[in-house]
Amino acid sequence: SAVISQKPSRDICQRGTSLTIQCQVDSQVTMMFWYRQQPGQSLTLIATANQGSEATYESGFVIDKFPISRPNLTFSTLTVSNMSPEDSSIYLCSVALDGGFTDTQYFGPGTRLTVL
Amino acid sequence: LAKTTQPISMDSYEGQEVNITCSHNNIATNDYITWYQQFPSQGPRFIIQGYKTKVTNEVASLFIPADRKSSTLSLPRVSLSDTAVYYCLVGDRSAGNKLTFGGGTRVLVKP
Repeated sequence: SAVISQKPSRDICQRGTSLTIQCQVDSQVTMMFWYRQQPGQSLTLIATANQGSEATYESGFVIDKFPISRPNLTFSTLTVSNMSPEDSSIYLCSVALDGGFTDTQYFGPGTRLTVL
Repeated sequence: LAKTTQPISMDSYEGQEVNITCSHNNIATNDYITWYQQFPSQGPRFIIQGYKTKVTNEVASLFIPADRKSSTLSLPRVSLSDTAVYYCLVGDRSAGNKLTFGGGTRVLVKP
């Protein structure tokens, strides 16, 4: 298994500003994922972040809005840019220890974002 | 567009068995079926995973028919602490094998 921490755990932001969310893993992993979970809803994959390559974004998510960094095998950041109230959500990172082959993922606790 | 579908909610009582079925008609040939549990204000937690037939671990069983178009998570003798949202996760061939979470099943265990 893996222990994953996220910072901040929650934040309240003004529209038009940006927030960077950090994800730290206690072991080296190749595959990291960023998800969004709107209140009472399921998880939607934003992007896959592999160390040493550009993040791969899912349909409906673009790099200008959600830039991702993956500087090493234990850390990643997701930035929510030029925020609007529609970005209010929980953002979660996860990792796959087996390279994603079996889709077993370990999730962080999430960052609850409120945009006013 | 194919979807991974689950019942929205289920109620149960302590000590009963709870069975949650996930429909995934377009599951990718090589994909596993994975189930997660999520408590409020926490990230999802891995419960069980399988590819075909039956898998059992210390907390749950997973039943997968031969056609793999559905799967059933079985929670034996639930307790109040099993109240949570349960998600299935599979690949979706209609979406380029994108990993797709089901909508989640909110399980309420009553005393």
